[in-house]
Amino acid sequence: EVQLVESGGDLVQPGGSLRLSCAASGFTFSSFEMNWVRQAPGKGLEWVSYIDRSGTTIFYADSVRGRFTISRDNAKNSLYLQMNSLRVEDTAVYYCVRAASLFDYWGQGTLVTVSS
Amino acid sequence: DVVMTQSPLSLPVTLGQPASISCRSSQSLVYSDGNTYLNWFQQRPGQSPRRLIYLVSNRDSGVPDRFSGSGSGTDFTLRISRVEAEDVGVYYCMQGTHWITFGQGTRLEIK
Repeated sequence: EVQLVESGGDLVQPGGSLRLSCAASGFTFSSFEMNWVRQAPGKGLEWVSYIDRSGTTIFYADSVRGRFTISRDNAKNSLYLQMNSLRVEDTAVYYCVRAASLFDYWGQGTLVTVSS
Repeated sequence: DVVMTQSPLSLPVTLGQPASISCRSSQSLVYSDGNTYLNWFQQRPGQSPRRLIYLVSNRDSGVPDRFSGSGSGTDFTLRISRVEAEDVGVYYCMQGTHWITFGQGTRLEIK
């Protein structure tokens, strides 16, 4: 069974940093591209970042480029999102999502709250 | 960026009646490989999104056959043949042809 389990969400002050993790199981992690998608409270879905199978091709949404860094460790079956210079508007549930354009499996999400 | 426009944004439906959600893209979603990367997701209250339909009309495993997807080019539709109580939630279309964008979401409720 495919499982994606996010962790690392917390309450952080504006300007602070946080690192999210996503533990994958039930499939060959290194064979799949991965994404982070977020959802602000009561709002819709927003794609955040993409990483290819090897970690060499990476893309970001304009709203996070230069502040967030996506990475992966295929040996540990894990996906990461390093978030720096956090803003109030980054408050959201962050989902780890499998696959490039098909988005077939989603984790349960981890809540990041940016507030003073 | 490709803009995905869903309608309606709110959809009250009587149990057992059909429902339909439209999703229009600002550009054709046909990719160079011939595929059209248009997915539909259901998000029940308090849950993560779950994919229902991929590549316009392919139903995911475990998705009831009352859900169907259709369309081409820039115009797509999700249909529910007979709405059940468990269908309450928000439905999103998503295009993966010109990078990734989501529709605004359509909230389905029972009348």
